[in-house]
Amino acid sequence: EVQLLESGGGLVQPGGSLRLSCAASGFTFSNYAMSWVRQAPGKGLEWVSAISGSSGSTFYADSMKGRFTISRDNSKNTLYLHMNSLRAEDTAIYYCAKLPSHYYGSGSYYFDYWGQGTLVTVSS
Amino acid sequence: QSVLTQPPSVSGAPGQRVTISCTGSRSNIGAGYDVHWYLQLPGTAPKLLIYGNINRPSGVPDRFSGSKSGTSASLAITGLQAEDEADYYCQSYDSSLSGSVFGGGTKLTVL
Repeated sequence: EVQLLESGGGLVQPGGSLRLSCAASGFTFSNYAMSWVRQAPGKGLEWVSAISGSSGSTFYADSMKGRFTISRDNSKNTLYLHMNSLRAEDTAIYYCAKLPSHYYGSGSYYFDYWGQGTLVTVSS
Repeated sequence: QSVLTQPPSVSGAPGQRVTISCTGSRSNIGAGYDVHWYLQLPGTAPKLLIYGNINRPSGVPDRFSGSKSGTSASLAITGLQAEDEADYYCQSYDSSLSGSVFGGGTKLTVL
């Protein structure tokens, strides 16, 4: 059974940093691309970032470029999201999601499994 | 403002059929990229409902079906049940943004 368990969320001041983790199990982690998707309180889903199975390629939504860094440790079956220069508008539940393919790029990619999410609150 | 446009809400009585539209543009749905649909029950994570425009993952009832034409896609739900009450999101890829994009979500109310 595929399981994705996020952690690392919490309260952080504007301009601060945070690292989210997503522990994966139930599948061969290195074979699949992974992604982060967020949802602000009472709002819709917003794609944040994606990384290929081999970590060779990373992708970001424009508003996250330069502030967020996605990475993975295939030996630990763990996905990460390093977030810097956090703003109030980054307040959201951050979901870890698995793709059914090794690659992410220009194509018809979707998210077949999702974690339960971790809440990040940016406030002073 | 979401790249893909969905109606904020739809409703229907038990047993009825409802459809949820998802309108994009030439840089996403109209460019040939597939549309996928997710269901999100209150307080829970999204769940894949339809992938590749028309395909249902194992375990999803055939009451749910998807279609795509031109720059739009639709999700149809037949035989509405109380447990279908949830938020529904469409998703595709946008070549101008070089990333995945979602619709704003549609809240389905079962009357």
